[in-house]
Amino acid sequence: AQSVTQLGSHVSVSEGALVLLRCNYSSSVPPYLFWYVQYPNQGLQLLLKYTTGATLVKGINGFEAEFKKSETSFHLTKPSAHMSDAAEYFCAVSDGNYQLIWGAGTKLIIKP
Amino acid sequence: SAVISQKPSRDICQRGTSLTIQCQVDSQVTMMFWYRQQPGQSLTLIATANQGSEATYESGFVIDKFPISRPNLTFSTLTVSNMSPEDSSIYLCSVLLGRTANYGYTFGSGTRLTVV
Repeated sequence: AQSVTQLGSHVSVSEGALVLLRCNYSSSVPPYLFWYVQYPNQGLQLLLKYTTGATLVKGINGFEAEFKKSETSFHLTKPSAHMSDAAEYFCAVSDGNYQLIWGAGTKLIIKP
Repeated sequence: SAVISQKPSRDICQRGTSLTIQCQVDSQVTMMFWYRQQPGQSLTLIATANQGSEATYESGFVIDKFPISRPNLTFSTLTVSNMSPEDSSIYLCSVLLGRTANYGYTFGSGTRLTVV
């Protein structure tokens, strides 16, 4: 069975600092991996996804993630945090059918 | 990508009553889903809304409590019936543009339900 683990329910970084949100997955087949962002009082927006091909995936708002099969990880990074990045971030995995398995979410807090 | 209009955006309801949430998509989509997001938690899939047939419910969710309609390829409703305070959550409509997850999901802005 597939599962997703997001390390840290809350991550706090200073404005301008590196953002690193961790996601590890388990899957018995090559996975499709996703990061979604949820801003306060809004729905979810797709940040980026990995399906096949290049393992370094670039998304919107300067975020990127690297699929590392050997580590079963898909960590989300951004070189320099902005105040507008404050939101909740969800990692999700699919085995290729239509269902997504969701992580518990990580709330990103940006300190001025 | 698709654009989803979800209504209402929020509501405060009395226990024992029902609320119907609407999800309108600007294009025809094969798959539509309803999720629940309880306070401070991740998303839980309630059901897949199937056009022209009964919805497919996930474990722990039943049709009597969460009846779903999908009359066509652009519209669906979710009703939360006989509400109790435990039903206070964000309810999200989602669509998949293809038949597999790699096509990507689009979400509505959600309905924030408070039951008093």
